[in-house]
Amino acid sequence: EVQVLESGGGLVQPGGSLRLSCAASGFTFSSYAMSWVRQAPGKGLEWVSVISGGGGTTYYADSVEGRFTISRDNSKNTLYLQMNSLRAEDTAVYYCAKTVQFTYYYDSTGYYFGYWGQGTLVTVSS
Amino acid sequence: DIQMTQSPSTLSASVGDRVTITCRAGQSVSSCLAWYQQKAGKAPKLLIYKASSLESGVPSRFSGGGSGTEFTLTISSLQPDDFATYYCQQCSSYPWTFGQGTKVEFK
Repeated sequence: EVQVLESGGGLVQPGGSLRLSCAASGFTFSSYAMSWVRQAPGKGLEWVSVISGGGGTTYYADSVEGRFTISRDNSKNTLYLQMNSLRAEDTAVYYCAKTVQFTYYYDSTGYYFGYWGQGTLVTVSS
Repeated sequence: DIQMTQSPSTLSASVGDRVTITCRAGQSVSSCLAWYQQKAGKAPKLLIYKASSLESGVPSRFSGGGSGTEFTLTISSLQPDDFATYYCQQCSSYPWTFGQGTKVEFK
């Protein structure tokens, strides 16, 4: 059974840092890209970042580029999100998602979020 | 960034109704589109990927269609468990973007 469990959320002051973790099980972790998606209170979903299965390729939303760093430890089946210079607008539930690759339109590569964790709440406030 | 626009934002329906939600992309995303269901206080759940492929375990009353810039999610006969918020998401180019959501509520 696929499981992903986020941890590390909490209350942090503006300008502070926090590291989120996501422990995965039930699938071959290193074979899948992994993503972080967030949801501000009462708002919609916002993709944050993705990392390839081997960890060598990463992408970020403009809103977090240069402040957040995604990484993974395949020996521990764990995904991370290091968040620095936090702002009030970063307040959200952060979800970890198993990111599944597929082929469309002959040979283009697409991805979808095949399985989501329950999320961890990050609150940025003084 | 590719903007995704869902309509309607809220949909009032009854059990047994046929329901259709539309998602429009600001530029073509081919078939790189997914649909998710989210219930209050819960994580989103994948329903449809590649515009029309049904995720394993998802009831067959859910179906997806479209390509390019216009997509639909249809629930053929609304069940009590289907009252939730639905999101589309494009994966054609970074940053991946979601629609604003469509809340399906009791009429």
